[in-house]
Amino acid sequence: SQTIHQWPATLVQPVGSPLSLECTVEGTSNPNLYWYRQAAGRGLQLLFYSVGIGQISSEVPQNLSASRPQDRQFILSSKKLLLSDSGFYLCAWSGRDRGSFFGPGTRLTVL
Amino acid sequence: RKEVEQDPGPFNVPEGATVAFNCTYSNSASQSFFWYRQDCRKEPKLLMSVYSSGNEDGRFTAQLNRASQYISLLIRDSKLSDSATYLCVVNEDDMRFGAGTRLTVKP
Repeated sequence: SQTIHQWPATLVQPVGSPLSLECTVEGTSNPNLYWYRQAAGRGLQLLFYSVGIGQISSEVPQNLSASRPQDRQFILSSKKLLLSDSGFYLCAWSGRDRGSFFGPGTRLTVL
Repeated sequence: RKEVEQDPGPFNVPEGATVAFNCTYSNSASQSFFWYRQDCRKEPKLLMSVYSSGNEDGRFTAQLNRASQYISLLIRDSKLSDSATYLCVVNEDDMRFGAGTRLTVKP
């Protein structure tokens, strides 16, 4: 069966510090991968998605970037965090018409 | 215009009530549709897919209306445990989520 891992579960970072969140998927190959952000009490905002290694589509211009160095690895990064980057970051994989399956998420607080 | 729009909610209903959520989408070429459930401070989890002919899973019924470009979720005989936020999803290569509708079922 497929599983998706995200770490860390929670993170507190100062403004201006860098960020690296990692997501890995097991049990499937060539998945579509997604990064979402959810602000408190709000819906899911699609940040990036990837249909293959090295292929990244960005949905929202901002100070975040994503990379897919391996088929089942998806990384979300920032060089300098802003207060507005606080939120619940969710990685997901999609089996095409089977819907998306989410990792447990990382709760980021930028102070 | 947002690509996926949901009823704003919140919905507060008594146990045993029937409640319906709607979700409209803008891309007529969309092929796959889903409903998710998200509990407080947890990741969303797939509730059910939405098929063209409509589909049912116990107390939950999902329907798709391609002509009017909306999907719906009907919950019958609601339980306290149904309290959650319900999100609709429209899929091309990028999974587009609605903002979610919060449901609270009260005793």
